[in-house]
Amino acid sequence: DTGVSQNPRHKITKRGQNVTFRCDPISEHNRLYWYRQTLGQGPEFLTYFQNEAQLEKSRLLSDRFSAERPKGSFSTLEIQRTEQGDSAMYLCASSLGGAVPGAFFGQGTRLTVV
Amino acid sequence: AQTVTQSQPEMSVQEAETVTLSCTYDTSESDYYLFWYKQPPSRQMILVIRQEAYKQQNATENRFSVNFQKAAKSFSLKISDSQLGDAAMYFCAYRSEKSDGNKLVFGAGTILRVKS
Repeated sequence: DTGVSQNPRHKITKRGQNVTFRCDPISEHNRLYWYRQTLGQGPEFLTYFQNEAQLEKSRLLSDRFSAERPKGSFSTLEIQRTEQGDSAMYLCASSLGGAVPGAFFGQGTRLTVV
Repeated sequence: AQTVTQSQPEMSVQEAETVTLSCTYDTSESDYYLFWYKQPPSRQMILVIRQEAYKQQNATENRFSVNFQKAAKSFSLKISDSQLGDAAMYFCAYRSEKSDGNKLVFGAGTILRVKS
């Protein structure tokens, strides 16, 4: 499978716990994006990487959120001290620089904080 | 900041008929891309069609076509010969041509139901 892969697909956690999600982009894509999507809404940009460098972070990304892409390949998104308001679908997307407009999305990780 | 508005929360179409989904956007830029993405119940977002703002010709992909009105900042999607598999959430999205990482700005989406 050469698409964008996200794990886990679903995560249920208790409020206050830390969670980590993983995204494996399409192998030759150097740009990787994280978005958050709440029910009935469009995805909202969180952050993006070009290779291993995190070049932009949204104001939505509070200090409880951290993302890494250590070797310019897969990426992780960690949420510390989860809150109920963090419940959402977290989508990862990748693209090949600016050469081909439009990104390819993974199936997402649905987080439920109870 | 750019914004994208989809004013139709839900639309229905009879199988084999044509339906048009609306999208308007707000930007002060002249160079950008516009997209329609489809998100089926399995949740993976799929690119349906894209339009470069500098092109006057409307993009077409098989049964999918757009009506791009740059002056009016309107970007509607027409689906011809609708099929049951077209049922999904459709998102309109904007991407600046500037060096801002090419992030996408999405509308709230339109649920499309296809009746057999």
